[in-house]
Amino acid sequence: AQSVTQLGSHVSVSEGALVLLRCNYSSSVPPYLFWYVQYPNQGLQLLLKYTSAATLVKGINGFEAEFKKSETSFHLTKPSAHMSDAAEYFCAVTFNQAGTALIFGKGTTLSVSS
Amino acid sequence: DAGVIQSPRHEVTEMGQEVTLRCKLISGHNSLFWYRQTMMRGLELLIYFNNNVPIDDSGMPEDRFSAKMPNASFSTLKIQPSEPRDSAVYFCASRLGTGRTGELFFGEGSRLTVL
Repeated sequence: AQSVTQLGSHVSVSEGALVLLRCNYSSSVPPYLFWYVQYPNQGLQLLLKYTSAATLVKGINGFEAEFKKSETSFHLTKPSAHMSDAAEYFCAVTFNQAGTALIFGKGTTLSVSS
Repeated sequence: DAGVIQSPRHEVTEMGQEVTLRCKLISGHNSLFWYRQTMMRGLELLIYFNNNVPIDDSGMPEDRFSAKMPNASFSTLKIQPSEPRDSAVYFCASRLGTGRTGELFFGEGSRLTVL
């Protein structure tokens, strides 16, 4: 079955430190992969997506992610964390198959301390 | 352009009551998704529509839940009768087109509490 797993439900970093949020997928067909961010009391918004073009994808707010087929991973990174990055981050996957919707991981809460 | 609009933002009701959640899509969008978010299970897809047609409702918990799209810009999610375990935040999202790589635009959610 196709699925996505986010390793670590909570990640804490200091302001200015590297942010690394992990996501692995399971799929028998090529996936499309997404990262969404949710700020408190808001809906989700798209950070970036991989749709089988370049494997290194750049998104908004300085985030980027690299698709690694050999590792079935799509980890999200940012070189230097800001306080405003504190939020919940969701990895999501879908596939080019009829009737397939977007499946979300459980989410990772990012805390940023000064 | 206005985003996805959900109502009510908050609903508190008693077990056994009917609950109706509403969603207005972004103009021109033709895919509609209902998700439920809880601490225990995260974000679960309940149902989605393409061009007003339900494509996958396998995530709808049971017959107490029903969703409709009476027109291209509006959807309702109904729970009858409601139970305490239905307490969650319900999100509606819309997408331009039916291709799987399109961005989902989420509403701010409807927080449901069933006592």
